[in-house]
Amino acid sequence: DAKTTQPNSMESNEEEPVHLPCNHSTISGTDYIHWYRQLPSQGPEYVIHGLTSNVNNRMASLAIAEDRKSSTLILHRATLRDAAVYYCILRANNNAGNMLTFGGGTRLMVKP
Amino acid sequence: GAGVSQSPRYKVAKRGQDVALRCDPISGHVSLFWYQQALGQGPEFLTYFQNEAQLDKSGLPSDRFFAERPEGSVSTLKIQRTQQEDSAVYLCASRKSGHGPYEQYFGPGTRLTVT
Repeated sequence: DAKTTQPNSMESNEEEPVHLPCNHSTISGTDYIHWYRQLPSQGPEYVIHGLTSNVNNRMASLAIAEDRKSSTLILHRATLRDAAVYYCILRANNNAGNMLTFGGGTRLMVKP
Repeated sequence: GAGVSQSPRYKVAKRGQDVALRCDPISGHVSLFWYQQALGQGPEFLTYFQNEAQLDKSGLPSDRFFAERPEGSVSTLKIQRTQQEDSAVYLCASRKSGHGPYEQYFGPGTRLTVT
């Protein structure tokens, strides 16, 4: 699987936007970009995914670079409940791409 | 609706004991995954089922680990002769389909402590 690189940690103030970066320079053409987050003492939770175009849902937005070698997860207004570890994961859309390969993720801290 | 549930939520085992961890996936979900998460690390893949068939067990760390899903719904992860290095959170996830970029839904995990 292609590898992703994320900062170990980031801080944000409550009610401000947060941009979480992810580099994936070895991404292949069939790899989807998935984001999951894990709140303390819980299992990971799906956030969003995309292939080439930017995506929006009720939780977040995903901005994908034109060359697909990087992406950014955008939380429009951080709340204290958004404090979690955020994982950027590449997943191949083929029979071999069934599991998720988690890296270390970015620990987001939200200050009141 | 009901999500993925796991039991027990916490398990303490003495070294050498056998343990069985249960996962109830979302009803109708075809795919089921087991992951192991050590303290401070991201989850690591253990094994994957599509219905009752175990299609990938490449992540199981040793032959002491065994997983089954006999009727294509509930799954059990069994660890024989537990060792201290088995202490971790064991996560189960299910997915609606066997293929495609569908999301995985995770349970809360079972925290196993081997003393």
